[in-house]
Amino acid sequence: EDKVVQSPLSLVVHEGDTVTLNCSYEVTNFRSLLWYKQEKKAPTFLFMLTSSGIEKKSGRLSSILDKKELSSILNITATQTGDSAIYLCAVSSSNTGKLIFGQGTTLQVKP
Amino acid sequence: DGGITQSPKYLFRKEGQNVTLSCEQNLNHDAMYWYRQDPGQGLRLIYYSQIVNDFQKGDIAEGYSVSREKKESFPLTVTSAQKNPTAFYLCASSAHSGRARDTQYFGPGTRLTVL
Repeated sequence: EDKVVQSPLSLVVHEGDTVTLNCSYEVTNFRSLLWYKQEKKAPTFLFMLTSSGIEKKSGRLSSILDKKELSSILNITATQTGDSAIYLCAVSSSNTGKLIFGQGTTLQVKP
Repeated sequence: DGGITQSPKYLFRKEGQNVTLSCEQNLNHDAMYWYRQDPGQGLRLIYYSQIVNDFQKGDIAEGYSVSREKKESFPLTVTSAQKNPTAFYLCASSAHSGRARDTQYFGPGTRLTVL
């Protein structure tokens, strides 16, 4: 059965800290891995990763995929209170075309 | 403004009632999806549709029904057969072909509570 596991499930840090969120997967015929940020309502798209070892970056956020280890990390540097959210990892399979989501990591950034 | 809208934002249902959640998109996307989100469980797929007049069951379709009569619209009905419907419901859409279809864009969600 395809599955995606995120860790940690929750994390509390202080402003200015750097955090690393993990996503591991077991998916038949992997096609892509996506990261989303969910604040109160709609998840918003952050990154899509398809190739191993190529870092994607947007401001203080970056992410990289390791196909050998079947995992990805999402880094956030110099965290701000506005980074507080649930971060969702999802993986697509070329078999089904559907996204399989992990449980999410709840990040709280304290002032 | 392109996007996905869902209504209502909050919905209260009495036991035994069917309710319908609306989802509309003006992104010209072919594929649309319904997810259910419960605390600590991430998103679980209820139904999806890749083209008008066609849809498939997701992982937790029991107690739900959908229709796809128009490209822009994908309403979800939560029937009385759904035993535990209290949850946050998210609608999403994506382009149909290639890797672009992996990037799903989400609506703001509907929070359903059974009284």
